[in-house]
Amino acid sequence: GDSVTQMEGPVTLSEEAFLTINCTYTATGYPSLFWYVQYPGEGLQLLLKATKADDKGSNKGFEATYRKETTSFHLEKGSVQVSDSAVYFCALSDGEGAQKLVFGQGTRLTINP
Amino acid sequence: DADVTQTPRNRITKTGKRIMLECSQTKGHDRMYWYRQDPGLGLRLIYYSFDVKDINKGEISDGYSVSRQAQAKFSLSLESAIPNQTALYFCATSGGYSNQPQHFGDGTRLSIL
Repeated sequence: GDSVTQMEGPVTLSEEAFLTINCTYTATGYPSLFWYVQYPGEGLQLLLKATKADDKGSNKGFEATYRKETTSFHLEKGSVQVSDSAVYFCALSDGEGAQKLVFGQGTRLTINP
Repeated sequence: DADVTQTPRNRITKTGKRIMLECSQTKGHDRMYWYRQDPGLGLRLIYYSFDVKDINKGEISDGYSVSRQAQAKFSLSLESAIPNQTALYFCATSGGYSNQPQHFGDGTRLSIL
């Protein structure tokens, strides 16, 4: 079945550092790919998405490019802030019918001032 | 007011008790989902529903049941709770179009002693 594998956490960075969180997937067909963010005590919020190969999703300074050849959707940000501290989830959806999401295990990110 | 509201936010109960978690939404979405979140495992789908007359099992439905009382309400029940059902539970909704993101509630933290 479909699966998503994320970079093991936790990840700790200093403010203004460059961030990469790796995400690779296994899927049949042509999935849509998502990054969700979970702040403490809250539910998941959509951060960005890409629905086809070579699409780039972006939001709040974060970017991720749908790479079909490497089955990857790595999350990047050029200069992180303390407020970016959260848990990040990579997910895929088959985009058909039920649009069920398959999640990676999550990566906890802590940014120190 | 939150678009997706879960009640209760926290619950502690004993093994063997019947528990109901409730979810209501004001987004007008047809599709609703229940997930559980465990550390290191991401979110896993328990049940999902396309409309009031349509209920489907997800990846980990054993030990759970659901009821879609109305378009806006989707309840999750544990008929006889056991300790390994201790987890964070999330309700989510989505529109009917392909590749639409899911919108999550803030979660219910359930502890079974």
